[in-house]
Amino acid sequence: KAGVTQTPRYLIKTRGQQVTLSCSPISGHRSVSWYQQTPGQGLQFLFEYFSETQRNKGNFPGRFSGRQFSNSRSEMNVSTLELGDSALYLCASSQPGPDEQFFGPGTRLTVL
Amino acid sequence: GESVGLHLPTLSVQEGDNSIINCAYSNSASDYFIWYKQESGKGPQFIIDIRSNMDKRQGQRVTVLLNKTVKHLSLQIAATQPGDSAVYFCAENPRFGNEKLTFGTGTRLTIIP
Repeated sequence: KAGVTQTPRYLIKTRGQQVTLSCSPISGHRSVSWYQQTPGQGLQFLFEYFSETQRNKGNFPGRFSGRQFSNSRSEMNVSTLELGDSALYLCASSQPGPDEQFFGPGTRLTVL
Repeated sequence: GESVGLHLPTLSVQEGDNSIINCAYSNSASDYFIWYKQESGKGPQFIIDIRSNMDKRQGQRVTVLLNKTVKHLSLQIAATQPGDSAVYFCAENPRFGNEKLTFGTGTRLTIIP
């Protein structure tokens, strides 16, 4: 079974731009969560989608948004990029419930 | 508020020895805990989990201990190997059905050959 895939793997943007990241969960997984990982803040929860609905949301500004499609694939968008948005963005998929989450390799976003 | 913390940011262990990584959590309502391993350039990889109705769970070379009285979690790795070098995170899930995980800051484990 293929794992969680994320595209692109690396991205360089400039301040003020917007970016869209994509995540394809493991087949059969309907829950997709997004995390931001930085050296200073560690792994922080962004949001979680299940059946195309946002079910949980972390403490991030409204510039961070996401969506999930009917095939469970998910995208996250960051508008008006700031230098502090530079991070590794991780996507994780799971079955419904508190079971283990399977992480993708992440998208490394650099904002210049 | 919720917080998951680690006692030591770095740990060096001789190859073949056992290692113990500790984690403290503050949310007594958490009922599910996970240990993840993250190697450079990769996403976190599930190692082992434990639910709050247990105090010990064993896997292959790994054991997780949960002490709910002091809200402490530990990961024991037996007979460490060079491939065990990575950053280890504990994570807690506050309640059943909630996919949100709160992660600790991580401990970097280095295995010395």
